[in-house]
Amino acid sequence: EAGVTQFPSHSVIEKGQTVTLRCDPISGHDNLYWYRRVMGKEIKFLLHFVKESKQDESGMPNNRFLAERTGGTYSTLKVQPAELEDSGVYFCASSHAWEQYFGPGTRLTVT
Amino acid sequence: QKEVEQNSGPLSVPEGAIASLNCTYSDRGSQSFFWYRQYSGKSPELIMFIYSNGDKEDGRFTAQLNKASQYVSLLIRDSQPSDSATYLCAVNGGGGTSYGKLTFGQGTILTVHP
Repeated sequence: EAGVTQFPSHSVIEKGQTVTLRCDPISGHDNLYWYRRVMGKEIKFLLHFVKESKQDESGMPNNRFLAERTGGTYSTLKVQPAELEDSGVYFCASSHAWEQYFGPGTRLTVT
Repeated sequence: QKEVEQNSGPLSVPEGAIASLNCTYSDRGSQSFFWYRQYSGKSPELIMFIYSNGDKEDGRFTAQLNKASQYVSLLIRDSQPSDSATYLCAVNGGGGTSYGKLTFGQGTILTVHP
């Protein structure tokens, strides 16, 4: 069974630019989550989809972040415009029930 | 007070010893508890989960949960150098949060030396 995949693995952009991260969950997992780890801090929750609906987006830092999940399959997280403090590793996870399985992450560097 | 706190580490144990990793959490309504292992530059890998008070064993790993003390631990028996990694404690389902949201501790770095 294929795991959670994320693309790209690494992105370097300039402040003010736009970046879109993609996550493909494990097949059959209705739950999809986004997390972020900034340097020196713990992993923080961003939001949770159940199928195509946002169940909880309490962790989204501000309106520069937009997450979508098309048809309940893959998800994208867009950052527009990017700021320096958005740098970090963005993880996607998926689950069928309580146990969440993480993807390899996208390392975002904003210069 | 942090929501999930882990012993700061780093923790160093000799090969074959028992490694003990500890975690406390602040939300008494938390319902499920997870241990993830993360190798440098890799994704967190789920290794144990526990929902009920007591012990849960899986191979060399034992998770222990005490909800009254708001404490969860992970024991690794017969530690191997390949167990060297960062161990993350995560808690789910506290009061006022969605069932999906995991709250993580800062992680404990474990080194197993030959």
